[in-house]
This record gives sequence, structure tokens and C-alpha cells, in this order.
Amino acid sequence: EAGVTQFPSHSVIEKGQTVTLRCDPISGHDNLYWYRRVMGKEIKFLLHFVKESKQDESGMPNNRFLAERTGGTYSTLKVQPAELEDSGVYFCASSLTIQETQYFGPGTRLLVL
Amino acid sequence: EDKVVQSPLSLVVHEGDTVTLNCSYEVTNFRSLLWYKQEKKAPTFLFMLTSSGIEKKSGRLSSILDKKELFSILNITATQTGDSAVYLCAVPLRAGSYQLTFGKGTKLSVIP
Repeated sequence: EAGVTQFPSHSVIEKGQTVTLRCDPISGHDNLYWYRRVMGKEIKFLLHFVKESKQDESGMPNNRFLAERTGGTYSTLKVQPAELEDSGVYFCASSLTIQETQYFGPGTRLLVL
Repeated sequence: EDKVVQSPLSLVVHEGDTVTLNCSYEVTNFRSLLWYKQEKKAPTFLFMLTSSGIEKKSGRLSSILDKKELFSILNITATQTGDSAVYLCAVPLRAGSYQLTFGKGTKLSVIP
């Protein structure tokens, strides 16, 4: 069974540009989560989808971040326009049901210059 | 405020040593505590603990939860260089959403 995959693995962009990150959850997992780790800090929750619906987006830092999960399969996280403080590792995780273990992808390392 | 605190932040040991990693938490509506191992990329799941005093074991790794004192420990016996990683402790928060709150992690380095 394939695990959670994320694309790209690394992205370097300039301040003000737009970046879109993609996450493909484990097949059949209705729950999809986005997290972020900025340097020196702990991994922090961004938002949670159940199928195509946003269950909880309380962790989204501001309106420059837009997450979608059309069709309830893969998800994208767009940052527009990117700022220096958006640099970090963006992780995606999925779980079969809300109570079950979340399995993480390898992360996308974003660097905003 | 809900929080998860891990200690130590960093640890260097020699192969064969036994290590104990600590995780304390302060959360409302506690349901479970999870341990993950992060080597280069994806955090990989190790244990989920829900009941106090029941040890979970996987090979040389074991973990136990104390819900009265609000902490968990992760033990690794006879460490190997392949155990070198960041070990993350996480607790799901809030009813209706299982967002995980993580500690900063313990970076374990095992040297030959």
C-alpha cells in the first residue's frame, strides 16, 4: 500500500510569488491534515479535511493560505503571495477515520527568499 | 493553553546504551498520546497510548503512559545507529477534530 505522498519535495521561491503544494493521501483515507514546521519550532496543525469538506481550519495562519480538496482525494495548499516567514516544512497526513492513527508524508520543504 | 513538552531536546549516546525519552502534556479532554520517529523525511508512527500503566512494546522500543502524572516515556534498549532520529510526541486536541499538537521533539544521535 502506497503511503502519503507530497509534491514537490523542495521548493525555493521569491517573496511575493505563489507556490502550490500537493498531497496525495493513502487511498481510501477520508481524513487529510496539513501541518507545518518552521525552523526551531514544533510541528503545528494547519487544517483538517473530511473528504472534500474543511472540518477544522483553525490553524491556518492568514488568508494568504488556501487549501482545497476537490473530489475528496488529493489536496493542494496554495500560498499567495508567499512571505519570508512562510518558509518551513509542510507535512500532510491522512487517516482512515478521525480516531485512527495519522500517517505522515515526507513533507515539502519551502524556502522563501 | 494545551501543550506538549519533550525532554531532552537532544541526546547523544553510544551504541548499546539504553535511552529514555520524556513527554509531558497539559491538555483538556485527553484521549491518547502518540509517538513518531522522524529520520530524514516522514514521521513514522510508533505507538498510540490510551490507557495508563499499560506498556506497549515493539522490538527494542517500548512506551508507557501515566495519566495521573500526565507524562509518557519512550524507552529504547540496546541502541543502534539506525535509531538516530528525531522522536516526536503528539497529543490530539479538541472534540470534533483530531489535530495533533506536537512537542519540539528529541533528537537522538547514536554513535558507534
